[in-house]
Amino acid sequence: AQKVTQAQTEISVVEKEDVTLDCVYETRDTTYYLFWYKQPPSGELVFLIRRNSFDEQNEISGRYSWNFQKSTSSFNFTITASQVVDSAVYFCALSETGANNLFFGTGTRLTVIP
Amino acid sequence: DTGVSQDPRHKITKRGQNVTFRCDPISEHNRLYWYRQTLGQGPEFLTYFQNEAQLEKSRLLSDRFSAERPKGSFSTLEIQRTEQGDSAMYLCASSLGATSGKYEQYFGPGTRLTVT
Repeated sequence: AQKVTQAQTEISVVEKEDVTLDCVYETRDTTYYLFWYKQPPSGELVFLIRRNSFDEQNEISGRYSWNFQKSTSSFNFTITASQVVDSAVYFCALSETGANNLFFGTGTRLTVIP
Repeated sequence: DTGVSQDPRHKITKRGQNVTFRCDPISEHNRLYWYRQTLGQGPEFLTYFQNEAQLEKSRLLSDRFSAERPKGSFSTLEIQRTEQGDSAMYLCASSLGATSGKYEQYFGPGTRLTVT
């Protein structure tokens, strides 16, 4: 059975601090896909990144970076030099091979204090 | 590019009434999904269409729920005899097909349903 755990319910940081959001997943599939989505106060889920299970290369996009480690079943997300606009709920999600749905974690609410 | 749109954005209804929501996916996307999100939770999958065919339904989708995508473009989600437990945000998403290798789903703004 698939499971996505985001143990951090809420995080508050002061602007310009770095912050890491944790995501741990469980799956029996050898091929799967991991995602991060951002849900700002407006409510619309915004796609940030997709990672395939066979590609463990970490990725950096501007202030965002993702660390995928199959050995620990983790797919963590780091925001460098956080900004107030980063305040949102962030969701990690998993999709297994042949599955047509995304299985979401419960999300981490990030508040960046100016 | 036009994103996924949903209508209405908000719906307040009395228990026992029927409601219908509409979703217009990104035009070149042949896959369309419905999710439900309650407060403090991540979205939960309800159902999925490949073109006009409804290929998967979650056990969350009770008999009171029905979804259609008649021409493989827009979709509707109907809830009959609404209950207070149906109060939630109903999210629609779309994606390209599996052959594209792009599995990411793009979400609409959602329809917030309140059942009084």
